[in-house]
Amino acid sequence: AQTVTQSQPEMSVQEAETVTLSCTYDTSESNYYLFWYKQPPSRQMILVIRQEAYKQQNATENRFSVNFQKAAKSFSLKISDSQLGDTAMYFCAFMGDSNYQLIWGAGTKLIIKP
Amino acid sequence: ETGVTQSPTHLIKTRGQQVTLRCSSQSGHNTVSWYQQALGQGPQFIFQYYREEENGRGNFPPRFSGLQFPNYSSELNVNALELDDSALYLCASSLFRGLINEQFFGPGTRLTVL
Repeated sequence: AQTVTQSQPEMSVQEAETVTLSCTYDTSESNYYLFWYKQPPSRQMILVIRQEAYKQQNATENRFSVNFQKAAKSFSLKISDSQLGDTAMYFCAFMGDSNYQLIWGAGTKLIIKP
Repeated sequence: ETGVTQSPTHLIKTRGQQVTLRCSSQSGHNTVSWYQQALGQGPQFIFQYYREEENGRGNFPPRFSGLQFPNYSSELNVNALELDDSALYLCASSLFRGLINEQFFGPGTRLTVL
């Protein structure tokens, strides 16, 4: 069975700093997808970035980038130039190629301080 | 293009009652997934509906059931409510294309069971 682990329950950084959130996963599948979702206090889950396992190049979306280490089964999220609006719960999620459900980590609460 | 909507926003029920939660999928999407998110945890997959048929189910008892309608909207029904059913229920819609099944989430329904 696939599992997703986020080892940092909470992180706090100053505005404009760079922060990295960690995620590891376990799977026996060869093709899969990884996601980072953001859940602000409004509760709506918003996709931040995604990575296809067959792509070696790390995904980037503006200030958000990932460090995907397939052999180590690691998928960290880097947020550059952090902003107050980045304050939220961040969830790492896995989707195998053989099914379409998302498997989620427990989340990291990120606080950006002014 | 309208996003995913859910109703009601909040709901309070008592143990043993039944509840129906509703979800309208994003325009053009044909698949709906339901997740349960207990307080302080990541979401757990309940089930997915594709073209009005259940397309996968997580580790939830049969008292959790669902429907998908011809317009791809969906209902989640929970019978014989238990205190542990108190959670945020998230609906996500997607376009089933056989490959990546990127999911777009609604704002959720907060269910409280007393």
